[in-house]
Amino acid sequence: EAGVAQSPRYKIIEKRQSVAFWCNPISGHATLYWYQQILGQGPKLLIQFQNNGVVDDSQLPKDRFSAERLKGVDSTLKIQPAKLEDSAVYLCASSLGSGYNSPLHFGNGTRLTVT
Amino acid sequence: RKEVEQDPGPFNVPEGATVAFNCTYSNSASQSFFWYRQDCRKEPKLLMSVYSSGNEDGRFTAQLNRASQYISLLIRDSKLSDSATYLCVVNKAAGNKLTFGGGTRVLVKP
Repeated sequence: EAGVAQSPRYKIIEKRQSVAFWCNPISGHATLYWYQQILGQGPKLLIQFQNNGVVDDSQLPKDRFSAERLKGVDSTLKIQPAKLEDSAVYLCASSLGSGYNSPLHFGNGTRLTVT
Repeated sequence: RKEVEQDPGPFNVPEGATVAFNCTYSNSASQSFFWYRQDCRKEPKLLMSVYSSGNEDGRFTAQLNRASQYISLLIRDSKLSDSATYLCVVNKAAGNKLTFGGGTRVLVKP
């Protein structure tokens, strides 16, 4: 079974620039998550999709972050404009169901550095 | 109070020893619980689910205490390869939203 694919693996940008991350979940997984993990902390949920609908985006800084999951498969997460505090690893995960007793499968993550 | 709290550690453990640590959660309606393992600069991976009756997987034992709202993880006969950060994950009843704790770092030393 192919895992969750993410790209790019690393990205370095200057503050106020924009950046986009891509995620392809495990085939057949209806739920897709984007997490932000700052060094030394646990992952923080940014947005959760069920198929192509948003289930939870309460912690997404909507003034600068946006995400979409067209056709209920691939997803992109965008930051525009980036701030220094956005430096983190952005993890995409997918699960077969909607979380309850349905564990997450993570991609390798995208390590973002904002200078 | 954070929704899910963990002692960040590090727990320095001699090889072969036993180590245990807890994770507390604030929402009494939480339904499901997991332990994930995260190696340095890697993605989290599921270690085990935590069932009401407690469960064991080899050297790892997970327990759930609903009355006191915490889960625990015990590692017996620690190996050097057990060195990692252990993340507690709690599923809130409403909306099936998974919340991670900050992680407990374990360092197993020869």
